[in-house]
Amino acid sequence: GESVGLHLPTLSVQEGDNSIINCAYSNSASDYFIWYKQESGKGPQFIIDIRSNMDKRQGQRVTVLLNKTVKHLSLQIAATQPGDSAVYFCAENIWMAGNMLTFGGGTRLMVKP
Amino acid sequence: GAGVSQSPSNKVTEKGKDVELRCDPISGHTALYWYRQSLGQGLEFLIYFQGNSAPDKSGLPSDRFSAERTGGSVSTLTIQRTQQEDSAVYLCASSLTGRDYGYTFGSGTRLTVV
Repeated sequence: GESVGLHLPTLSVQEGDNSIINCAYSNSASDYFIWYKQESGKGPQFIIDIRSNMDKRQGQRVTVLLNKTVKHLSLQIAATQPGDSAVYFCAENIWMAGNMLTFGGGTRLMVKP
Repeated sequence: GAGVSQSPSNKVTEKGKDVELRCDPISGHTALYWYRQSLGQGLEFLIYFQGNSAPDKSGLPSDRFSAERTGGSVSTLTIQRTQQEDSAVYLCASSLTGRDYGYTFGSGTRLTVV
């Protein structure tokens, strides 16, 4: 389940289980969203993106769901593996902001073997 | 290069000294961003360069922080008179122009002020 860690909320899951990481975004005008994964000692890496004209987008073992009504974004990871342990950030973009992304606070995913 | 390169990867400096952090973006990327990440925390926006436009400096925490980008490519983030609270990982990212392009991040510079 979820718990508040030192600074970031932490989600602990058993290897092989599915993970769901949630993000509440701030601006109803946002229309492009990205999930990033940050492993220890590395910069964030792009995982998957979704535009606001979609509710769901699937990648390899990952699915992003977008609920614009409640301004909620989720990242689902199927069959979670130890290599999925990382901090996950959602980011939103508003058309008028050009390239600029606004990042969420992040969630730490810990996978137990 | 193939990715965003940052140097140095680690920097330890004494309080009160100035430091310079370097970022080499992906060739052809017109946008460049600096973020700061304190231990176990999220990404704090610092500054954004887009082509030849004036940079967005709205995230710089104090006038001790400055950044420049020469020739639309390499960027240097300078912190003057460093303080212990400046200790963090400084991340640089670059992207193509256009709002549907995500950022590519470097691995960051870990700055420790002692």
